[in-house]
Amino acid sequence: AQSVSQHNHHVILSEAASLELGCNYSYGGTVNLFWYVQYPGQHLQLLLKYFSGDPLVKGIKGFEAEFIKSKFSFNLRKPSVQWSDTAEYFCAVNGASNTGKLNFGQGTTLQVKP
Amino acid sequence: DAGVIQSPRHEVTEMGQEVTLRCKPISGHDYLFWYRQTMMRGLELLIYFNNNVPIDDSGMPEDRFSAKMPNASFSTLKIQPSEPRDSAVYFCASRFGTGPNTQYFGPGTRLTVL
Repeated sequence: AQSVSQHNHHVILSEAASLELGCNYSYGGTVNLFWYVQYPGQHLQLLLKYFSGDPLVKGIKGFEAEFIKSKFSFNLRKPSVQWSDTAEYFCAVNGASNTGKLNFGQGTTLQVKP
Repeated sequence: DAGVIQSPRHEVTEMGQEVTLRCKPISGHDYLFWYRQTMMRGLELLIYFNNNVPIDDSGMPEDRFSAKMPNASFSTLKIQPSEPRDSAVYFCASRFGTGPNTQYFGPGTRLTVL
């Protein structure tokens, strides 16, 4: 079965610091990978996704993620965070032989101090 | 498109009462998902449908929970009888097909059971 692991449960950064959130998955086949963001009191929204091609994916709001197949990882990065990036971040995986269901990680709460 | 629509946005009820949450997926989407989110348990997939047919309901906590999808544009999640531990935010999401296609979330229903 597919599983997704986000190692950082709660991250606290100051504004302008760099961000990297880890995401690892367990699935040996072709995968589609997603990062979702949930701002306080809101629903989950797509930040970026990877399905083929360049393993470095650019998303909205200056976020990017790198797919490293050999490490089964899809880490999220941002060079300089802002207070408005305070949110919960979810990694999700959908394998090629999937049933349409996204498997979500447990989420990482990011708190950016002004 | 209006996105995924959920109603009500907030529901406060007393223990033992029946609660019905409603969802209208994005037109043309053939997958519909119900999630529950709490501080303690995070984001949990309760059930999902494909072409109105329930595919996996293994996340439904117990027999008090039931979900239906009578047509492609409407789904309900019912809790009868409700209990205080059911208090959570319930999200509906929809998606077209599988693979890299984005899953879109509704705004959620915040349920409080007193």
